[in-house]
Amino acid sequence: GAVVSQHPSWVICKSGTSVKIECRSLDFQATTMFWYRQFPKQSLMLMATSNEGSKATYEQGVEKDKFLINHASLTLSTLTVTSAHPEDSSFYICSARSDLQIGSDTQYFGPGTRLTVL
Amino acid sequence: GQNIDQPTEMTATEGAIVQINCTYQTSGFNGLFWYQQHAGEAPTFLSYNVLDGLEEKGRFSSFLSRSKGYSYLLLKELQMKDSASYLCAVRSTNDYKLSFGAGTTVTVRA
Repeated sequence: GAVVSQHPSWVICKSGTSVKIECRSLDFQATTMFWYRQFPKQSLMLMATSNEGSKATYEQGVEKDKFLINHASLTLSTLTVTSAHPEDSSFYICSARSDLQIGSDTQYFGPGTRLTVL
Repeated sequence: GQNIDQPTEMTATEGAIVQINCTYQTSGFNGLFWYQQHAGEAPTFLSYNVLDGLEEKGRFSSFLSRSKGYSYLLLKELQMKDSASYLCAVRSTNDYKLSFGAGTTVTVRA
């Protein structure tokens, strides 16, 4: 149990375009989903927290108008990188947890999406 | 702010034991997690400690001392597939957010 998927697994786009990344909890209802960014050889940096049906909470320094997060259902959250630039190239990882599950303290991670902006 | 420290790299021999230390200074404490991450992949959950003491799960054990702000992950009977980055993460409040250390890259040699 506790499987989280992400789509796409990798994407290459041109500078100035927008990219949408999906995060799905496959076998549980995710009360909360988190979006992280990880640059090479660095640790995960939390970008934002989203709860189903409410606005995402962004960490300091993360532009909410650039990284649009939608958590429309208990199994799906999306991150849209708008007007992407080369410095946005990174590994984007989502995680999910559930209030409804035993072990609700644990976050389960998706496989990540590698974004390359040319 | 949150400060979570762990060594950058460790090397060990197949079949040996390695201990990865993590020290933390956070504004609160509500649990410590260890994750394993292979290159280019997402982290996978290994262990969770919220009370002092040792938690054992097969070849992996994790220890916590809240008074010392200290944890370690012990990997026994090392296998080549254990070569990965090991991330220490602290949950400091009730909002379930995690703060991660920079990770320890463990290389297992034959």
